[in-house]
Amino acid sequence: AQSVTQLGSHVSVSEGALVLLRCNYSSSVPPYLFWYVQYPNQGLQLLLKYTTGATLVKGINGFEAEFKKSETSFHLTKPSAHMSDAAEYFCAVDYFGNEKLTFGTGTRLTIIP
Amino acid sequence: DSGVTQTPKHLITATGQRVTLRCSPRSGDLSVYWYQQSLDQGLQFLIQYYNGEERAKGNILERFSAQQFPDLHSELNLSSLELGDSALYFCASSNRPSGYEQFFGPGTRLTVL
Repeated sequence: AQSVTQLGSHVSVSEGALVLLRCNYSSSVPPYLFWYVQYPNQGLQLLLKYTTGATLVKGINGFEAEFKKSETSFHLTKPSAHMSDAAEYFCAVDYFGNEKLTFGTGTRLTIIP
Repeated sequence: DSGVTQTPKHLITATGQRVTLRCSPRSGDLSVYWYQQSLDQGLQFLIQYYNGEERAKGNILERFSAQQFPDLHSELNLSSLELGDSALYFCASSNRPSGYEQFFGPGTRLTVL
């Protein structure tokens, strides 16, 4: 079965430090890739997406992600963490365009003042 | 605010009961998706409707059913409820084919006692 792996269920970084959240998918065919953020007691908000084209994707709030086919990865980064970035982050994949998003287990990001 | 509305926000009921969750998609969106978020299973795709027709099915139990009405709002019906059905149920909508953003509502938190 197709899966999405997010390494690290909890990540803590200091304010101003680099944020790196990892996501790997399981397919030899490049799927559509998404990162969503969930703040407490809220729904999911799209940060960025990769469908086709440029492999470095820029999203909202200073986040970006790079699609690496050779590594089947789509890691999320932000150069400088802000307190407001504390939330849960989900990587999601639409394999083969079948309109079912498969989500990773999520990574809870904590920002240390 | 994604433009997707869900009611009720919270629902507390007893085992064996039946409940209905309601979702209104963004204006103009033809696709509605239902997801379940639980501690055990994470975020799982349940079912998708497109312009009133069922389009894709995921890990939806036989006790659960959904429909999309002519005005495009959707309802998720959960029957013979069990303790394990306690979860956050999200609705999402989209106006594009696969590979494009799904906009998520704030969710309905269901507690089965």
